Amino acid sequence: GAGVSQSPSNKVTEKGKDVELRCDPISGHTALYWYRQSLGQGLEFLIYFQGNSAPDKSGLPSDRFSAERTGGSVSTLTIQRTQQEDSAVYLCASSRPSGGATDTQYFGPGTRLTVL
Amino acid sequence: GIQVEQSPPDLILQEGANSTLRCNFSDSVNNLQWFHQNPWGQLINLFYIPSGTKQNGRLSATTVATERYSLLYISSSQTTDSGVYFCAVERGYNQGGKLIFGQGTELSVKP
Repeated sequence: GAGVSQSPSNKVTEKGKDVELRCDPISGHTALYWYRQSLGQGLEFLIYFQGNSAPDKSGLPSDRFSAERTGGSVSTLTIQRTQQEDSAVYLCASSRPSGGATDTQYFGPGTRLTVL
Repeated sequence: GIQVEQSPPDLILQEGANSTLRCNFSDSVNNLQWFHQNPWGQLINLFYIPSGTKQNGRLSATTVATERYSLLYISSSQTTDSGVYFCAVERGYNQGGKLIFGQGTELSVKP
């Protein structure tokens, strides 16, 4: 596709429910990132996938958050037992492989999650 | 961890005016990107600029890595330039590319 796509664009859920957010990166991009943007915390890194390497999960705020990337392409971010403080816009980004360095990250439109 | 500070936090311009946005970072960085977040929330790449100067139309950016700052110049501003401008840095070589974002500069261009 032309850019990074994310679904759903909006998600409203009740506290305690599980949610799944999906990201389709740009074709050929081997690096995939999840970030979230909230009023109090700004933009913060969550998790990073690069090819077949083990993901960097250092930004995940709790063990209720997990992510997987199937076939080196599509990624799903799962939040279990959602809390009101999970309300935020979840952004996905992807970038091309560039050896040991990094390349420009391209962002999707985000999923706005509201936990009631 | 590395700190990224942007200034000013808010800026109001009259259409046609020029402006300079600043990004200071507290440690050496491998990469730096400038983004524009439009009123619909989409983050749009402006520059990938770990060092040096780049220009793209009315926008240009300069990063002086040795002095730990970057500047974004907007000339002849237009109402469509409104939104939030973010600077983001990658901490170091082989840090996986995770970006650390500043708090942004909110720009409003009035007709």
